[in-house]
Amino acid sequence: GEDVEQSLFLSVREGDSSVINCTYTDSSSTYLYWYKQEPGAGLQLLTYIFSNMDMKQDQRLTVLLNKKDKHLSLRIADTQTGDSAIYFCAVNDNTDKLIFGTGTRLQVFP
Amino acid sequence: EPEVTQTPSHQVTQMGQEVILRCVPISNHLYFYWYRQILGQKVEFLVSFYNNEISEKSEIFDDQFSVERPDGSNFTLKIRSTKLEDSAMYFCASSEDRGGAGELFFGEGSRLTVL
Repeated sequence: GEDVEQSLFLSVREGDSSVINCTYTDSSSTYLYWYKQEPGAGLQLLTYIFSNMDMKQDQRLTVLLNKKDKHLSLRIADTQTGDSAIYFCAVNDNTDKLIFGTGTRLQVFP
Repeated sequence: EPEVTQTPSHQVTQMGQEVILRCVPISNHLYFYWYRQILGQKVEFLVSFYNNEISEKSEIFDDQFSVERPDGSNFTLKIRSTKLEDSAMYFCASSEDRGGAGELFFGEGSRLTVL
């Protein structure tokens, strides 16, 4: 079945850009998502990209999709301390369900 | 902004007891889901529900679990005879279109602790 992998940790300085990477195995994924989870909170939909797109930009967020390499990334420009959270990549496998990655814990330090 | 709401936020129960977790999906959404996240692990799909019936379920969703939409607004997950390993955060989600199709919104989660 589909497998989604992410690196576990990322640490960046405030004001720098953060890039969180994700790889997946199922090339038929239609929608690919990024969710943010703050401590003790739920899953907040940040952005998503349709599989026929290469890039999507939404304010400080840029999503890049490389379908050939099955690689998805989320770039956060001008990272702030409030961006510290766990970021989950998730892909839709053309059924009803999303397959989530392990999550990347982003730590932003001053 | 419309949101998915879940109750309770935290429930503690004894092993063997039954629990019901409640969710109010976004009002114009037609597809409803339950996911769970065991501490430190991935978020896992449990079940999807559409048109008053289960449309897909995972291997985790065995006879111990059931879902229901008892009225026009609530969507519930019942866990019978709870086990220690059922301790997790349970997330409800809803969407207008099947499988999320771009917009899949989650609630804040209900933390279940089984003692």
